[in-house]
Amino acid sequence: GENVEQHPSTLSVQEGDSAVIKCTYSDSASNYFPWYKQELGKRPQLIIDIRSNVGEKKDQRIAVTLNKTAKHFSLHITETQPEDSAVYFCAARSYNTDKLIFGTGTRLQVFP
Amino acid sequence: ETGVTQSPTHLIKTRGQQVTLRCSSQSGHNTVSWYQQALGQGPQFIFQYYREEENGRGNFPPRFSGLQFPNYSSELNVNALELDDSALYLCASSPSVGDTEAFFGQGTRLTVV
Repeated sequence: GENVEQHPSTLSVQEGDSAVIKCTYSDSASNYFPWYKQELGKRPQLIIDIRSNVGEKKDQRIAVTLNKTAKHFSLHITETQPEDSAVYFCAARSYNTDKLIFGTGTRLQVFP
Repeated sequence: ETGVTQSPTHLIKTRGQQVTLRCSSQSGHNTVSWYQQALGQGPQFIFQYYREEENGRGNFPPRFSGLQFPNYSSELNVNALELDDSALYLCASSPSVGDTEAFFGQGTRLTVV
């Protein structure tokens, strides 16, 4: 069935370092890949997304890459700051359904 | 803020009871999806409504049901509550089916005791 695997489950970095979170999806029909940041007790907030016709997208310190052949996509955060600390979820949506399949989340901690 | 509002924000129910959760979609959005997020897990798709019709359902039993109204607001109903139904329930609205991003509400935290 449809599945999204996400690694690592926890990630601790020093302020200023880079952080990378990786996801793998199973449904070949997936064509939309958003990333959400969720702070404790709050709603998931979209931070960046990418569509299957694009290999890479960047927005300031955040970038996402997509490898359709390998069914991998990754989130890259550079120059991390303490306020980047949160749980990050990847998700995938296929063109023939409209549901988002979420990964299990990565808890990112950025230490000052 | 996304413009998607949910009510109530917190709710405590007893096992076996029924609950109704509400969601007002963002202005101009005709599609609402509901997700269940258990503690420490990613959101799981329950179902989606598009123009008042159910448009896809996840792996949830029939005691999870929903409605969408002409103004595109939506309700999630859960009958015969079980302890495992305790979770954060999120609704997300989109401009249309298959369209771009989904905008999440702040969620309803349901606790079943």
